[in-house]
Amino acid sequence: ETGVTQTPRHLVMGMTNKKSLKCEQHLGHNAMYWYKQSAKKPLELMFVYSLEERVENNSVPSRFSPECPNSSHLFLHLHTLQPEDSALYLCASSQRTGDAEAFFGQGTRLTVV
Amino acid sequence: GENVEQHPSTLSVQEGDSAVIKCTYSDSASNYFPWYKQELGKRPQLIIDIRSNVGEKKDQRIAVTLNKTAKHFSLHITETQPEDSAVYFCAAIPSSGGYQKVTFGTGTKLQVIP
Repeated sequence: ETGVTQTPRHLVMGMTNKKSLKCEQHLGHNAMYWYKQSAKKPLELMFVYSLEERVENNSVPSRFSPECPNSSHLFLHLHTLQPEDSALYLCASSQRTGDAEAFFGQGTRLTVV
Repeated sequence: GENVEQHPSTLSVQEGDSAVIKCTYSDSASNYFPWYKQELGKRPQLIIDIRSNVGEKKDQRIAVTLNKTAKHFSLHITETQPEDSAVYFCAAIPSSGGYQKVTFGTGTKLQVIP
């Protein structure tokens, strides 16, 4: 294990549901990220938190809402999603937002029905 | 913004042969280039990286080369083994911004045939 844990591993939700993805890191890192991985597309950076402050929001629809209560935890709150939001959502952390290695979680496979 | 192109999208090689995956980037401000390996159902993991002040880096059977002038970098895997089968991603990161400004390639699915 690399120290970045995501739950749940799989999630099926309806378009009217509200759910949350959780990410936890025990590496002492101070930057955390949410990525979206869709088939045949590059990894898309969604949000970046550095020292619990959001420093990047890559034009992500408001139906995705991140939360970083402390440097070890990161959430992605989901509501009124669309089928095209179905993807693997990966959390990552790094020592800083520079060029340090990013450690990824195993991802949450999300299916919107 | 940065644009990273990765080729090929799929690659099949016989066990023991070499595999080469190429990436090109557009932004000359990019100066850090990591490569990630993602096995089926698992997380992406960094396998090797290179910075712009270096032309080549090797780690056992894996090497990465960088041509700053041409803005391309390549991953070389020699003596491939079945456990090398995975999806490989390249990335380009600028000195200012780090992973906030990362751009990933689309990935290469490598299959090593025993």
